[in-house]
Order: sequence, then structure tokens, then C-alpha cells
Amino acid sequence: QSALTQPASVSGSPGQSITISCTGTSSDVGGYNYVSWYQQHPGKAPKLMIYEVSNRPSGVSNRFSGSKSGNTASLTISGLQAEDEADYYCSSYTTSTTRVFGGGTKLAVL
Amino acid sequence: QVQLVQSGAEVKMPGASVKVSCKASGYTFTTSYMHWVRQAPGQGLEWMGVINLNSGGTQFAQRFQGRVTLTRDTSTSTVYMGVNSLRSEDTAVYYCAKGGRYYPDYWGQGTLVTVSS
Repeated sequence: QSALTQPASVSGSPGQSITISCTGTSSDVGGYNYVSWYQQHPGKAPKLMIYEVSNRPSGVSNRFSGSKSGNTASLTISGLQAEDEADYYCSSYTTSTTRVFGGGTKLAVL
Repeated sequence: QVQLVQSGAEVKMPGASVKVSCKASGYTFTTSYMHWVRQAPGQGLEWMGVINLNSGGTQFAQRFQGRVTLTRDTSTSTVYMGVNSLRSEDTAVYYCAKGGRYYPDYWGQGTLVTVSS
């Protein structure tokens, strides 16, 4: 199972919006609504930010939103804040009953 | 509140085995799954496998089939992840992460396993 494809890095200024894409295939992202997104700060464990494509866990800011079109899922962060600077990973369930992560995207808040 | 407390760092020789524990608290243990994910130094996340904490059933990524074991002890709410035939490429932080069948929703603090001669 190949990793999902994410841009290596994205950047934005405080207050702006950014979108991170996550491209898979019909065997993972396109085939199931089990796409999740995780935020990871340096030296810390990942934190769930979005589950089942577009749902936010309790306690996660509504500045974070998720969507999917075909084989590509997206994470949008609006009103960028300095604390959003982190690595972001998408993940999907797959037809082989495994799960797969994206390669990760480093977000810089300039 | 949910807590996942993992065992401490390990240093192993190539060819050896390692077992990492993950003790859960703050929720009903058998109502969830436990995923295991590893992260090599400076690299991304890699899903290894998952165990159904009720039935004990497991699923693994193909590359870990036969080399990784997942077991649970419901009396102590602890999950164990074992890896045998360790090689240098297995050096990584290993995370347990509770959740549902399809994705993890809460992660442990991670356990660094270093494989070196």
C-alpha cells in the first residue's frame, strides 16, 4: 500500500487560510469516508484534528475543516495562528483492510 | 480522562526482539481498538497494525505480517506490541493510539526503540 500524496510544505501568514491536499486512489481516499487528519508538533504525539473526512473532535477549533472530492481529501485552516505551525498528516482506511498515512506536510506560519 | 502510558525507551541489538507496552485508563478498555504507528527519525508516520480490544483480532500492514505481534491483557487494560528480527531500519518512535476500527483518535506518548550494534 503506497503512502498518500501530500505536499512537503505549505506556508501562510497569520490570519490567512491555507489548504493541504491528500491524494490517494479509489482503493483508499476515494473509496471510503474514513479520511482523518492529524497535527504533530515537534517532539509530540500526533493529535486528531478531523475524522471521517469533515468531522471535528470536541475541543478542536472550528478554524479547521476537511473535505473530499474523488480521490483527493483536503484540510483547510482558516485564520492562521502561530500555534498552527506543525506537521500535518492525512490517513485513510484501505480496501486491503489496512490504513495508510500521507507523507506529511510541514506548515510554516510566516 | 483518557490516558495511554507507554513503556520506556529500549536499545536492542540487530536480530533481537522488543516488546512495548501501552497501559490504558480513563475509558472502557474493551470498547475500542488499539492502533500502532511508528515514526523513524525525521520521517513520517507509518501504520503498523491494529488490535480489537474486545475480541483480540488483529490486522497488520503487509510489511509487518509475521514479524509484529499484538496482544492485550484485559485484566490490566494493557496492550503489547512485539517486533522480532530487529534491524537498524526499525529504529523509530513507536506509538499506541486508541480509536475505532478505522482510525486512531488518541495517542500515547511514544516509545523510542533504537536498534544498534
